[in-house]
Amino acid sequence: DAGVIQSPRHEVTEMGQEVTLRCKPISGHNSLFWYRQTMMRGLELLIYFNNNVPIDDSGMPEDRFSAKMPNASFSTLKIQPSEPRDSAVYFCASSLGTETGELFFGEGSRLTVL
Amino acid sequence: AQSVTQLGSHVSVSEGALVLLRCNYSSSVPPYLFWYVQYPNQGLQLLLKYTSAATLVKGINGFEAEFKKSETSFHLTKPSAHMSDAAEYFCAVSDRVGTSYGKLTFGQGTILTVHP
Repeated sequence: DAGVIQSPRHEVTEMGQEVTLRCKPISGHNSLFWYRQTMMRGLELLIYFNNNVPIDDSGMPEDRFSAKMPNASFSTLKIQPSEPRDSAVYFCASSLGTETGELFFGEGSRLTVL
Repeated sequence: AQSVTQLGSHVSVSEGALVLLRCNYSSSVPPYLFWYVQYPNQGLQLLLKYTSAATLVKGINGFEAEFKKSETSFHLTKPSAHMSDAAEYFCAVSDRVGTSYGKLTFGQGTILTVHP
């Protein structure tokens, strides 16, 4: 079975450029989460959706970050303009949306902003 | 708000030795607790979870964890470490205040190194 699919796996860009990260959750899962992982801050929850509706975006660092989920099988995380401090691994995860349910993670998108 | 604290950002053991990774939680309601493992260049995957049934929970790869309410702990153990256990381990708590939709709050992670 296909797991959570993220693209691109690696992205190197220059400061000021727009970055779009993509995620396809597991079919049938109705919650989707975007996390960011850095050495300094560990795993941070940026935003999560349930049934395609954003539930909590309080973890989004600033207005340069935006996320959408236009349908149950696709989500994007956009950074515009990007800055070097945005360099991190961004993970997408999906679940059935229950409090005992397992989160299934993608392999991550490693972003480097020069 | 619920939170977890992992004691020790790095743990080093010899192959065949006991593995003990510590996690303490803070929660205003009975918690649901999880351990995840992350191998290099991969996403996290579930090792085991506690959801208020048995307090001793067995997971994959020979790991287990015991929920101790009196100590607010959920430490992860494995009797005998294997080289393939080298990874980063995360403790997490489920958000049970209101409707959580499966949201988890993760600890800072513990990197386990296994020496031959």
